[in-house]
Amino acid sequence: ETGVTQSPTHLIKTRGQQVTLRCSSQSGHNTVSWYQQALGQGPQFIFQYYREEENGRGNFPPRFSGLQFPNYSSELNVNALELDDSALYLCASSFGQGASYEQYFGPGTRLTVT
Amino acid sequence: AQSVSQHNHHVILSEAASLELGCNYSYGGTVNLFWYVQYPGQHLQLLLKYFSGDPLVKGIKGFEAEFIKSKFSFNLRKPSVQWSDTAEYFCAVNARNAGNNRKLIWGLGTSLAVNP
Repeated sequence: ETGVTQSPTHLIKTRGQQVTLRCSSQSGHNTVSWYQQALGQGPQFIFQYYREEENGRGNFPPRFSGLQFPNYSSELNVNALELDDSALYLCASSFGQGASYEQYFGPGTRLTVT
Repeated sequence: AQSVSQHNHHVILSEAASLELGCNYSYGGTVNLFWYVQYPGQHLQLLLKYFSGDPLVKGIKGFEAEFIKSKFSFNLRKPSVQWSDTAEYFCAVNARNAGNNRKLIWGLGTSLAVNP
């Protein structure tokens, strides 16, 4: 059974640029959730995708967007990067929508915006 | 707004000491409760969860947590810690029947260091 993988592991971008982060869900899972974890903070829910549709969103502006593909992998896109977007971005997959299903986390992508 | 408070940010214990990490949440309705752990260099993983039923739940590696509804608390306990329990511990809450019930709300985390 393959776990959740994320790419890249680290990324450095300049303010105003755009970034795409990728996540491959665990085998058999159809739901992907994305979280932002700033240094010293707990994860903050960005959004969730279930069967290729956005299925719940946290308090993040529209410049945070995503996609889910037919194989249930997912992308997180962030436009017009700001310094405060520097964080660890976590992807979690689960079988079923809603936070009640156990979520399996990837290692995260560390984004630094300069 | 819903929130989760973890009272201890950093805890240092010796092996065999007992552990209790506090977690309180603010939401008056029905909740699902979780404790996650992140060992050094590893992914976040689920320790235990409470959805309904017996308020005392047992998780992996000898951990347990008790849901006390009247206190809005879900404290994590272990009678005797080991060096391998050194990790970051997160409490998370899902407010069921809230507008966005797919959202997990997380505490800031507690960093536990166990000295051998």
